[in-house]
Amino acid sequence: AQSVTQLGSHVSVSEGALVLLRCNYSSSVPPYLFWYVQYPNQGLQLLLKYTSAATLVKGINGFEAEFKKSETSFHLTKPSAHMSDAAEYFCAVSDPLDGANSKLTFGKGITLSVRP
Amino acid sequence: GAGVSQSPSNKVTEKGKDVELRCDPISGHTALYWYRQSLGQGLEFLIYFQGNSAPDKSGLPSDRFSAERTGGSVSTLTIQRTQQEDSAVYLCASSLGAGVAYNEQFFGPGTRLTVL
Repeated sequence: AQSVTQLGSHVSVSEGALVLLRCNYSSSVPPYLFWYVQYPNQGLQLLLKYTSAATLVKGINGFEAEFKKSETSFHLTKPSAHMSDAAEYFCAVSDPLDGANSKLTFGKGITLSVRP
Repeated sequence: GAGVSQSPSNKVTEKGKDVELRCDPISGHTALYWYRQSLGQGLEFLIYFQGNSAPDKSGLPSDRFSAERTGGSVSTLTIQRTQQEDSAVYLCASSLGAGVAYNEQFFGPGTRLTVL
């Protein structure tokens, strides 16, 4: 079974500071990995995904993530936080053995706050 | 273009009543998913439809929950004899279902269900 761990529930950074949101996965095979963002009272929006191509993945809004098999990690980063980045962020995993379009298993989510 | 739409946006019901939640996926998307988002459990997979294949119902929490997808498009999630623990936001997502390059799931805004 696949699982995702997002340590902590809340991260606060100053505007312009580095954003680092951690995600570790547990899987018997290299999984597909996703980061989604959810703004208040809205659905989830995909930031980026890893599907066994390049290990450094660039997404929308200046976010990127690096797949590290040795660390079973897929941490999300952004060099400079913007006030509009305040939202909840979810890491998710799917099992390639279930097919390319199988269900997602989500982490608990991390709320990002950005201080002026 | 039109995204995933869900109706109603909010539903308040009394314990023991049946409810139906509707999802209209993006046109042309063959894969459709239902998830539940609650404070205690986070984001949980419920059910997944892919084309004409038998649905993956492995996430349905009890036999009070069922879903159907008519004509490969619109889907309805039905909860019978609602309980207070069913209160949550029910999210629908769809994807092209055409392989790993197109496995991004697009989410609707959700239906907030409150069981009194």
